[in-house]
Amino acid sequence: EIVLTQSPGTLSLSPGERAALSCRASQTVSSSYLAWYQQKPGQAPRLLIYGASRRATGIPDRFSGSGSGTDFTLTISRLEPEDFAVYYCQQYAGSLFTFGPGARVEIK
Amino acid sequence: EVQLEQSGAEVKKPGESLKMSCKGSGYSFTSNWIAWVRQKPGEGLEWMGIIYPGDSDTRYSPSFQGLVTISVDKSINTAYLQWSRLKASDTAMYYCARHGSSHEFDHWGQGTLVTVSS
Repeated sequence: EIVLTQSPGTLSLSPGERAALSCRASQTVSSSYLAWYQQKPGQAPRLLIYGASRRATGIPDRFSGSGSGTDFTLTISRLEPEDFAVYYCQQYAGSLFTFGPGARVEIK
Repeated sequence: EVQLEQSGAEVKKPGESLKMSCKGSGYSFTSNWIAWVRQKPGEGLEWMGIIYPGDSDTRYSPSFQGLVTISVDKSINTAYLQWSRLKASDTAMYYCARHGSSHEFDHWGQGTLVTVSS
């Protein structure tokens, strides 16, 4: 089973700043099968990025995904107030899905 | 519009059984797998298993195999997650989610909160 590690665990930033969240896999992940989600308190997760770099429908272009192999990054170019949330990466391999532990982006 | 509507919150005692539902609408229900995801209070997301409504093919996470049962009734566009004997450690929010073409979960239900307490 592929284990995903996210860093940093918490990122403290101000609105307008750039956020970069890392997701590292214990084994090579197909780029086609790496996704990112945003979750706000009391809400279900929302798909942001799939296929490592493809934005889901309706997702603003300040969200971007990159990476390959074992290292992937979610970048938020300029943080808006509504972007402060928890972000999860997720992969699929060998009929198994795993999520990373999550990374919190909080207001500084 | 794709929607996944989950059944309401449950309060159960240890040892009781539970079956929760997830009804899909706005798309061809039999064309996409439906997954179940657990989130314990204050914790992250855990994939539990997935079912293909077209033929009821089901896969389980090794962590949940034998602990829960996933099923579907395609005639009413509804997937289910059930327990035969709940434990206090099953207290969590449970989400269903539609599986997309790149093995992502592109639409999510609103969640069903399960509280197991004596």
